[in-house]
Amino acid sequence: RKEVEQDPGPFNVPEGATVAFNCTYSNSASQSFFWYRQDCRKEPKLLMSVYSSGNEDGRFTAQLNRASQYISLLIRDSKLSDSATYLCVVKGNDYKLSFGAGTTVTVRA
Amino acid sequence: GAVVSQHPSWVICKSGTSVKIECRSLDFQATTMFWYRQFPKQSLMLMATSNEGSKATYEQGVEKDKFLINHASLTLSTLTVTSAHPEDSSFYICSAPWAQGDQPQHFGDGTRLSIL
Repeated sequence: RKEVEQDPGPFNVPEGATVAFNCTYSNSASQSFFWYRQDCRKEPKLLMSVYSSGNEDGRFTAQLNRASQYISLLIRDSKLSDSATYLCVVKGNDYKLSFGAGTTVTVRA
Repeated sequence: GAVVSQHPSWVICKSGTSVKIECRSLDFQATTMFWYRQFPKQSLMLMATSNEGSKATYEQGVEKDKFLINHASLTLSTLTVTSAHPEDSSFYICSAPWAQGDQPQHFGDGTRLSIL
């Protein structure tokens, strides 16, 4: 079983729509959780950390459910520039990160 | 802010060639760096952990004689893909851990390796 699993999508949505997707992780001892964004042929860039109480950053909302071991990301009022692959990333009690394969989002005009 | 510089960004070479990729931490010291590989439509997979002044730690299934890692200073780690073959073509990316703020690791820009 993969450490981090994501729905690969693609999610194809119109501008202004809301899109949401989840990821699940297998290691219950995981300490920290993140959503990264990766554009084609580029390095991943941190979008936001995910906190137990849930958190928002502008149009992005992240939720963490430790009991069920899943993390979610919701994007409101989608922009064309939101088109990317979103990586779910989990960190244990060391420096190592485990990456999901990514969820592809395409926002169309 | 902390930056990790990776070079080269793109390499095309013939089968059998050895390719060296450099990863530098700018404005901070990194006793540990990570090397990842990403195939199309797949996740980043950790290949090895580079340790300054000591041997790298390789993940299961990664050939240490094929992927040579040297971490000679607190700001430089290198990955050498020896006798590269077409199946080694991939996106290689390094990172350095960052203990401050939310960012757990700083990533280099990545190296796209194409072996003909």
